[in-house]
Amino acid sequence: QKEVEQNSGPLSVPEGAIASLNCTYSDRVSQSFFWYRQYSGKSPELIMSIYSNGDKEDGRFTAQLNKASQYVSLLIRDSQPSDSATYLCAVREGSSASKIIFGSGTRLSIRP
Amino acid sequence: EAGVTQSPTHLIKTRGQQATLRCSPISGHTSVYWYQQALGLGLQFLLWYDEGEERNRGNFPPRFSGRQFPNYSSELNVNALELEDSALYLCASAGSAYNEQFFGPGTRLTVL
Repeated sequence: QKEVEQNSGPLSVPEGAIASLNCTYSDRVSQSFFWYRQYSGKSPELIMSIYSNGDKEDGRFTAQLNKASQYVSLLIRDSQPSDSATYLCAVREGSSASKIIFGSGTRLSIRP
Repeated sequence: EAGVTQSPTHLIKTRGQQATLRCSPISGHTSVYWYQQALGLGLQFLLWYDEGEERNRGNFPPRFSGRQFPNYSSELNVNALELEDSALYLCASAGSAYNEQFFGPGTRLTVL
């Protein structure tokens, strides 16, 4: 059973600080990795995709991928109260182009 | 550009009944994915349709079924509803199996 593991949180971060969200996955041949944000009662919203080792930056968000360690992370700089949400790590199975496995999510709370 | 749409927003059924949920993908997208998100739980992959064919299904019983129409819209049918089928059902679309998935707003199914 291929798995994607996340700390469920809640992770509490002061406004303006950096929030660091982590994810590990079990499928060694996975090539595509995603971060989704889900507000309570809403559907997931794609915020970052990463396919190569290293960092990928988009505004206040940076995704980091280390395939050797099977580890992907999301950094949120200058955290805002509107960043309070559940963040889902998602990994596309290496053996199946179609199936994306989602982690159970990390709840992030930004305190003023 | 319109996003993924789903109908109905809410659906209330009684145990043993059948439910039909509908999804229209983003224009130009041919892949449609269905997920179940039970309260407090992660996203569970249900079904994947591409070019009118079922390509993959998750670990769900056969009473969960669906289809994709020539215009790429999709329908999820759940027969013989059970109380534990109560969940948010999310549809996502992608330009192809290798592309990012974008979610619709979901259908909240309640089984009484």
